Amino acid sequence: DVKVTQSSRYLVKRTGEKVFLECVQDMDHENMFWYRQDPGLGLRLIYFSYDVKMKEKGDIPEGYSVSREKKERFSLILESASTNQTSMYLCASSLATGERQPQHFGDGTRLSIL
Amino acid sequence: KQEVTQIPAALSVPEGENLVLNCSFTDSAIYNLQWFRQDPGKGLTSLLLIQSSQREQTSGRLNASLDKSSGRSTLYIAASQPGDSATYLCAVSGSGYALNFGKGTSLLVTP
Repeated sequence: DVKVTQSSRYLVKRTGEKVFLECVQDMDHENMFWYRQDPGLGLRLIYFSYDVKMKEKGDIPEGYSVSREKKERFSLILESASTNQTSMYLCASSLATGERQPQHFGDGTRLSIL
Repeated sequence: KQEVTQIPAALSVPEGENLVLNCSFTDSAIYNLQWFRQDPGKGLTSLLLIQSSQREQTSGRLNASLDKSSGRSTLYIAASQPGDSATYLCAVSGSGYALNFGKGTSLLVTP
């Protein structure tokens, strides 16, 4: 079974802090994704990566950056956390083949910015 | 831009009923459609994936159908159980890598 592990289930940080959210997958997937989920807005893509050191902006990249130095690990960085970044953050991964493969999600990190 | 709509937003049924959840999307140029389950405060669990060339997929008591030309999918749950209570999300994969999600249907199955 695919395992996507997010380093923290709950995280509380202060405004202005630099915040790192970590995600690791164990299935050698090429594609990795960061989404945020907010009530009434659903899931929205922040960034995705299709290979090591490769990244593409999603729908809402402002205020975020990402890092993918190794295939299995994809980090989301909040450069200077703000209260409007309080949300549930979900990481996903998928295999890259000719036919689109399912995305597998981690358990999420509920981040509160005070 | 792809818009995904799920109806109803919430549903409450007694245990044992068969039920149908609906998903519609505006752009029929999709690669696949995926149904997920989300328990409160948890991540997403993939239930079924239907490739654009397929019409339906089945897993246990779940059956998902896809009508790409009309932009619709349904998730059929047979003989519902209290353990089926969760939010069900539909997502489509289009020209980009990302999934476009609906806002979900919150299902409550009462004993």
